[in-house]
Amino acid sequence: EAGVAQSPRYKIIEKRQSVAFWCNPISGHATLYWYQQILGQGPKLLIQFQNNGVVDDSQLPKDRFSAERLKGVDSTLKIQPAKLEDSAVYLCASSLRRGTGDTQYFGPGTRLTVL
Amino acid sequence: AQTVTQSQPEMSVQEAETVTLSCTYDTSESDYYLFWYKQPPSRQMILVIRQEAYKQQNATENRFSVNFQKAAKSFSLKISDSQLGDAAMYFCAYRSGMGGGSEKLVFGKGTKLTVNP
Repeated sequence: EAGVAQSPRYKIIEKRQSVAFWCNPISGHATLYWYQQILGQGPKLLIQFQNNGVVDDSQLPKDRFSAERLKGVDSTLKIQPAKLEDSAVYLCASSLRRGTGDTQYFGPGTRLTVL
Repeated sequence: AQTVTQSQPEMSVQEAETVTLSCTYDTSESDYYLFWYKQPPSRQMILVIRQEAYKQQNATENRFSVNFQKAAKSFSLKISDSQLGDAAMYFCAYRSGMGGGSEKLVFGKGTKLTVNP
């Protein structure tokens, strides 16, 4: 079974530029998560999708971050404009169903460096 | 809000020996899940072990076991017969079991485990 796929693996941009990350969850997984992991810290949830609907985006900086999950499969996370403090690893995870305690499986992440 | 604390930023162990990583959490909920994830330098988070709060029996997965003390809100990970491949960052994580809300994982800051040959 293929795991969670993410691209790109690395991205370097200048501040005020825009960037987008892509995630393809495990086949059949209805729930998708985006986490931000700043160096030296544990991951922090940015947004949770159930199919193509948003369950939790309370910690998403909506003035610059946006995310979508069209057709309830792939997802894209965008930052526009980027700030220096957005330098982090962005992790995508998926789980089979909501409300069942299913394990979240993580992708390899995208390391973003903002100069 | 729930919090997870890992008080050991770094730990080291000799190959083939046993090491215990500590984790405490704070919650007012009665239904929840606890996890240990491993993150090697490749960055991919890998599930090591999980524990449902309603289960009294401690979870085990081969060389990995937990000591779940619900009243003390403690969830430690024991790694037996440590191997070089166990070297990684280890994160303790909490997830609410209350239905209808966010199912986010709340992570601790991690413990960096070094395995010495």
